[in-house]
Amino acid sequence: AQKITQTQPGMFVQEKEAVTLDCTYDTSDQSYGLFWYKQPSSGEMIFLIYQGSYDEQNATEGRYSLNFQKARKSANLVISASQLGDSAMYFCAMRERINTGNQFYFGTGTSLTVIP
Amino acid sequence: DTEVTQTPKHLVMGMTNKKSLKCEQHMGHRAMYWYKQKAKKPPELMFVYSYEKLSINESVPSRFSPECPNSSLLNLHLHALQPEDSALYLCASSQDITYEQYFGPGTRLTVT
Repeated sequence: AQKITQTQPGMFVQEKEAVTLDCTYDTSDQSYGLFWYKQPSSGEMIFLIYQGSYDEQNATEGRYSLNFQKARKSANLVISASQLGDSAMYFCAMRERINTGNQFYFGTGTSLTVIP
Repeated sequence: DTEVTQTPKHLVMGMTNKKSLKCEQHMGHRAMYWYKQKAKKPPELMFVYSYEKLSINESVPSRFSPECPNSSLLNLHLHALQPEDSALYLCASSQDITYEQYFGPGTRLTVT
């Protein structure tokens, strides 16, 4: 089974609108972390937002918020007031504990295009 | 300052060459990572160093050899690579292994 699933290969959003990028995860660990990264065409991975499994509040960072639904094992990224510079690939990632330490998983990504 | 630097930015090497990729951070982070990323694919974790000790080795071929000389530096030594090893190699660091990772700009490697 996939550890991180991103079901939207590509998304389009009108400038200034909000958009939700979906992410579901699979883990039996009680203590895990969920991350979103942005990768523009230049290639650099940019950290956006983090949600810990024990955090009761949804994480927010500026225009980014994470809609964390633990029972459904989903961690969707919401980008408000989209800007042209938001056009990029977005990866959802998870850290979980395993017997030998921690393991890291990335989803397949969602390509977001912001339309003027 | 959340800067991770990587050198070189681009590297072209033959299958018999030996080369090294370098990564540096001065954020006091104690975990550092190497990833390999093919075009339009997610990054694949190769190695993790935690407190300068190799923590995870994702069964990477021995032609890739990591080295962590100190807590700020991470090298990836390359030898006898194959054309399929051509990819973007990303370095990252984090405060410790449970925190978010900050990535460098990557080295685009082409093996001819």
